[in-house]
Amino acid sequence: DSGVTQTPKHLITATGQRVTLRCSPRSGDLSVYWYQQSLDQGLQFLIQYYNGEERAKGNILERFSAQQFPDLHSELNLSSLELGDSALYFCASSLGLAGESYEQYFGPGTRLTVT
Amino acid sequence: GQQLNQSPQSMFIQEGEDVSMNCTSSSIFNTWLWYKQDPGEGPVLLIALYKAGELTSNGRLTAQFGITRKDSFLNISASIPSDVGIYFCAGPPEGGATNKLIFGTGTLLAVQP
Repeated sequence: DSGVTQTPKHLITATGQRVTLRCSPRSGDLSVYWYQQSLDQGLQFLIQYYNGEERAKGNILERFSAQQFPDLHSELNLSSLELGDSALYFCASSLGLAGESYEQYFGPGTRLTVT
Repeated sequence: GQQLNQSPQSMFIQEGEDVSMNCTSSSIFNTWLWYKQDPGEGPVLLIALYKAGELTSNGRLTAQFGITRKDSFLNISASIPSDVGIYFCAGPPEGGATNKLIFGTGTLLAVQP
């Protein structure tokens, strides 16, 4: 158990809909990262938050957004869903910023299926 | 952008055999991480490497940070069935102001009892 929790475990929804994925980092970790894993793209970094502020963006679509709340949990919002958004979405957490700790601990993931 | 290529893509071995896999990049990395992922689960951190030439062990696993800083290696000794999974290397892009990770393409390991 990494200490990172994600809900829900599975999500099935229709095209055009909006969903919210939730993540709670390990106790003491200030950085939260979101990754998308699909068969054709592998594990891709989406976005990072540190102590409530956005720190880095990767290959995140404009239809996707995220935030980190004062209690450090994070939510990833996916809107106008398309079939191609079906994937595993992982949250990871680490202690701090660049140079402090590169070791990221991953949650169990949310499997999103868009039909 | 930076890419991490892993080889072999897949391995099918007998229980008890030793395993070697590697990860290469066209650019320099200052940190290498090795993860294992079971089907439908999140990646689990196995080993972290921070210095060129560093050799680090975690039980039957040993990883090395290549001296060119463009590669890393993972060895598993005396494999057992629970070693089955996908092994990923990862690292933060050099010069980045954050510690986001780039992941390799993965090596699928199958162990036959």
